Amino acid sequence: QSVLTQPPSASGTPGQRVTMSCSGSSSNIGGDYVHWYQQLPGTAPKLLIYKNNQRPSGVPDRFSGSKSGTSASLAISGLRSEDEADYYCASWDGSLSGWVFGGGTKLTVL
Amino acid sequence: QVQLQQSGPGLVKPSQTLSLTCVISGDSVSSNSAAWNWIRQSPSRGLEWLGRTYYRSKWYNGYAVSVKSRITINPDTSKNQFSLQLNSVTPEDTAVYYCARGWDGYIANWGQGTLVTVSS
Repeated sequence: QSVLTQPPSASGTPGQRVTMSCSGSSSNIGGDYVHWYQQLPGTAPKLLIYKNNQRPSGVPDRFSGSKSGTSASLAISGLRSEDEADYYCASWDGSLSGWVFGGGTKLTVL
Repeated sequence: QVQLQQSGPGLVKPSQTLSLTCVISGDSVSSNSAAWNWIRQSPSRGLEWLGRTYYRSKWYNGYAVSVKSRITINPDTSKNQFSLQLNSVTPEDTAVYYCARGWDGYIANWGQGTLVTVSS
């Protein structure tokens, strides 16, 4: 049981916009930043969004993040087949004094 | 560009010690800005943070409650690397283990991952 809650799956067709959520509590998302990672099959997670809505260099602006209270969202616009992956949210938990993660959302591009 | 290269055995017997090493290039294990983490991933437990070591004028460690009695993370400044030791492993410790660099308040870089199977 992951500390952060994500829907297990999401789907969309090419060109569509999809969003996925991440829910936490005051000890993590509510009190700190949210970060998002993309994990392609058989590879390590890759930083996608940091500090709620910042994109590392090289990440397309099709990817965007937002946070409100104890929840956060990742949006992908102009969906492409190569976006098919697992997406994880993460946040520092001040009560646990450690990183916590969501269970991941598996994105399928139909 | 920071790169993390992991090494270690892929098979460990129950009750023995799991040991992994992560070699750092492009940064220093003694950096006053970075933290060096171990994270594992399994189908049953998802992504699970295990602990970290970092230097802020002196060395600090932090460990997850779930493994605190069994884990040690050590820096090795002479080789610019850090290591994970997890004692008394059981099949529940079977997972892909990642080393990861924390920087500026987020986990910025990940190692390639090592599948460790606990089995006799």
